[in-house]
Amino acid sequence: GNSVTQMEGPVTLSEEAFLTINCTYTATGYPSLFWYVQYPGEGLQLLLKATKADDKGSNKGFEATYRKETTSFHLEKGSVQVSDSAVYFCALTIQGAQKLVFGQGTRLTINP
Amino acid sequence: DTAVSQTPKYLVTQMGNDKSIKCEQNLGHDTMYWYKQDSKKFLKIMFSYNNKELIINETVPNRFSPKSPDKAHLNLHINSLELGDSAVYFCASSQEPSGGNGEQFFGPGTRLTVL
Repeated sequence: GNSVTQMEGPVTLSEEAFLTINCTYTATGYPSLFWYVQYPGEGLQLLLKATKADDKGSNKGFEATYRKETTSFHLEKGSVQVSDSAVYFCALTIQGAQKLVFGQGTRLTINP
Repeated sequence: DTAVSQTPKYLVTQMGNDKSIKCEQNLGHDTMYWYKQDSKKFLKIMFSYNNKELIINETVPNRFSPKSPDKAHLNLHINSLELGDSAVYFCASSQEPSGGNGEQFFGPGTRLTVL
């Protein structure tokens, strides 16, 4: 089946620290990969995506590279801000499946 | 200019009651979804509709009945509410076929509390 596994949270960092949130997946077929972010009290927003192997998605200083050989899509940011505090979800979809499969979410807290 | 909207935002009710949550999208998308987010933030799809037709039903109890009067609306009706139904319910939409991109746009969520 299709599944996504994220690193256990919560993650707490100081402002300007380097961030990595690990995400690995198993999929039948060729998935598209996503990172969604959920700020406190809000719905999910797409942060970035990659639709094929070796693609790099980037947005707001965040990056993730689709690694088929390691079935990974780790989220990185070089210097986090307090405003990055949120829950981050890694997700995949298989073409034609018409549903997102989410990881369990990683809560990130950035302290000033 | 809200893309995906849900009402109500909060819903507190007694066990055994029947309640509905409404969702509307103004993005012109063909496909709409309902997701359930539990207290540990885990998100799981419940239903998906494409052009008013049910295409995904993820073994959700039949107390949950989605209704799509048109492709811009997908409402969720829940009968005989149970304590375990307490969660945040998210509506989402996407344009299909999407070439496998699968990007979905989410509403702000409805926090349901069953007492």
